[in-house]
Amino acid sequence: DQQVKQNSPSLSVQEGRISILNCDYTNSMFDYFLWYKKYPAEGPTFLISISSIKDKNEDGRFTVFLNKSAKHLSLHIVPSQPGDSAVYFCASQGGSEKLVFGKGTKLTVNP
Amino acid sequence: NAGVTQTPKFRILKIGQSMTLQCTQDMNHNYMYWYRQDPGMGLKLIYYSVGAGITDKGEVPNGYNVSRSTTEDFPLRLELAAPSQTSVYFCASSYPPGHPYGYTFGSGTRLTVV
Repeated sequence: DQQVKQNSPSLSVQEGRISILNCDYTNSMFDYFLWYKKYPAEGPTFLISISSIKDKNEDGRFTVFLNKSAKHLSLHIVPSQPGDSAVYFCASQGGSEKLVFGKGTKLTVNP
Repeated sequence: NAGVTQTPKFRILKIGQSMTLQCTQDMNHNYMYWYRQDPGMGLKLIYYSVGAGITDKGEVPNGYNVSRSTTEDFPLRLELAAPSQTSVYFCASSYPPGHPYGYTFGSGTRLTVV
């Protein structure tokens, strides 16, 4: 039973446009949410996070939105750049529990 | 500023062979984890440790063993390699849950069992 779902395996956008990556979760105990970025042959690297007391967190071109009532979060990248092409993992955590990861979405930004 | 270091980066094993995947971190993190990633799948937790001398099973522990004798090191042992263990293995470390930056991952070990 997947507690964290990324329903789009892949996404392709044009350079300069917005990329929106989506993530749904089922466990209402989750109170911390993170996005990781992974390039081929490298480990995932932390990108941005949000706690359940917020509904938005920004860091430069990256913004994460949290909709607790819908158990949904999204990552917006504006403007998208070719260097953003990677696999993006959503991860969630509740209390003292370990992170639970989604299956990832492969983003391709075309020049 | 090494972070999490995994060795080897690549390995080919024959069925039934054994090996140890090494992981060391220099951030003084108490929490350490081993994940595997299969093609098209997310990260599945194999084992984790909340401190030296303490380990516990994750989601997919069968066929693996771990030990944590020091804060820095968290090796993963495969005793009798099987083709189903062909995967990319990631070690990670972290501060206690809820820290803003989550986990720090190593660069992975790509293992093929033939």
